[in-house]
Amino acid sequence: DQQVKQNSPSLSVQEGRISILNCDYTNSMFDYFLWYKKYPAEGPTFLISISSIKDKNEDGRFTVFLNKSAKHLSLHIVPSQPGDSAVYFCAASTSGTYKYIFGTGTRLKVLA
Amino acid sequence: DAGITQSPRHKVTETGTPVTLRCHQTENHRYMYWYRQDPGHGLRLIHYSYGVKDTDKGEVSDGYSVSRSKTEDFLLTLESATSSQTSVYFCAISEMGSRTWDTQYFGPGTRLTVL
Repeated sequence: DQQVKQNSPSLSVQEGRISILNCDYTNSMFDYFLWYKKYPAEGPTFLISISSIKDKNEDGRFTVFLNKSAKHLSLHIVPSQPGDSAVYFCAASTSGTYKYIFGTGTRLKVLA
Repeated sequence: DAGITQSPRHKVTETGTPVTLRCHQTENHRYMYWYRQDPGHGLRLIHYSYGVKDTDKGEVSDGYSVSRSKTEDFLLTLESATSSQTSVYFCAISEMGSRTWDTQYFGPGTRLTVL
């Protein structure tokens, strides 16, 4: 039973446009969410996080939105750049469990 | 970048052989994790440690054991490797500090092939 789902395995976007990556979760106890970016043959690198007390967090070109009622979060990348081409994972955690549940990933391709 | 190394980076072994993967950190973080990454499954937690000699199972722990005798080292052992354990293995570290959640930082990964 997948508690964190990324239903789009892949996404292609033109350079300069907005990329929107989506993530849904089923466990209402999750209260901390992270996004990671992964290039081939490398470990995932942390991108941005959000706690359940917020509905938005921004860091430069990256913004994460959290809709708790819908159990949905999204990552917006504006403007998209070719170097953003990677696999993006969302992850969720419940305070005090010290464990993270990851989604299956979305492969983003930014076309020049 | 967080100071995390994994060894070996690549390994090919035969079914039934024992295999040990090592994760080493220089950050003095309390929490360490082992994940495997497989197509269609994302990252799945195998085992994690919340201190020296303190470990617990993740969602896919069958066939794996771990040990942590020092803060900086976390070992993952496949007692008798099977082809289903062919995967890319990632170690991660985290320091919860005064909060009950925190960011995880990942190592570069170990690609294991079991023939």
